[in-house]
Amino acid sequence: EDQVTQSPEALRLQEGESSSLNCSYTVSGLRGLFWYRQDPGKGPEFLFTLYSAGEEKEKERLKATLTKKESFLHITAPKPEDSATYLCAVQAVETSGSRLTFGEGTQLTVNP
Amino acid sequence: DAGITQSPRHKVTETGTPVTLRCHQTENHRYMYWYRQDPGHGLRLIHYSYGVKDTDKGEVSDGYSVSRSKTEDFLLTLESATSSQTSVYFCAIGTGINSPLHFGNGTRLTVT
Repeated sequence: EDQVTQSPEALRLQEGESSSLNCSYTVSGLRGLFWYRQDPGKGPEFLFTLYSAGEEKEKERLKATLTKKESFLHITAPKPEDSATYLCAVQAVETSGSRLTFGEGTQLTVNP
Repeated sequence: DAGITQSPRHKVTETGTPVTLRCHQTENHRYMYWYRQDPGHGLRLIHYSYGVKDTDKGEVSDGYSVSRSKTEDFLLTLESATSSQTSVYFCAIGTGINSPLHFGNGTRLTVT
């Protein structure tokens, strides 16, 4: 059974204080790992897809990295508008379609 | 929002009544999904569709049925709603294997 565990559950940062979110996963064979951002009352918004260990993707203040057992979402010099819940999801090789298994998310608050 | 509309956005219904949620897309994507999101569980797949009239079960499909008679519409039906089905329901679309999913803004369903 595929499993995704995200930590911490909640993180409070001051504006400009860099940090990392963790996503640990167990999957029989990884097809892809996805990061999403979710704002209150909205659906998840796609950020990145990572396919193989060592891969990195960047977008503005966010950088996602992948190893064989976990992924990190690094947030550099965050701003209050980066406050959101960040979700990690995996897709296993044997699954049909684009079925994803999600973690419960990390709720990030960035204070001005 | 990637051309996805969910309706209604909010619904309150009584135990035992049938409920249908609608997802409409304007992207002509092949794959469509229904997820539910609950505290402590994250997003869990209910059913998905890989084409018109082609559907399959997800991990929490008991008590739910789906139909897809047109590419653009995917319906989720609760035949006899129960309080355990109180949740936020998200529709998602995707183009195929390895593609990220794009989500609608959800339907908040309360079963009293």
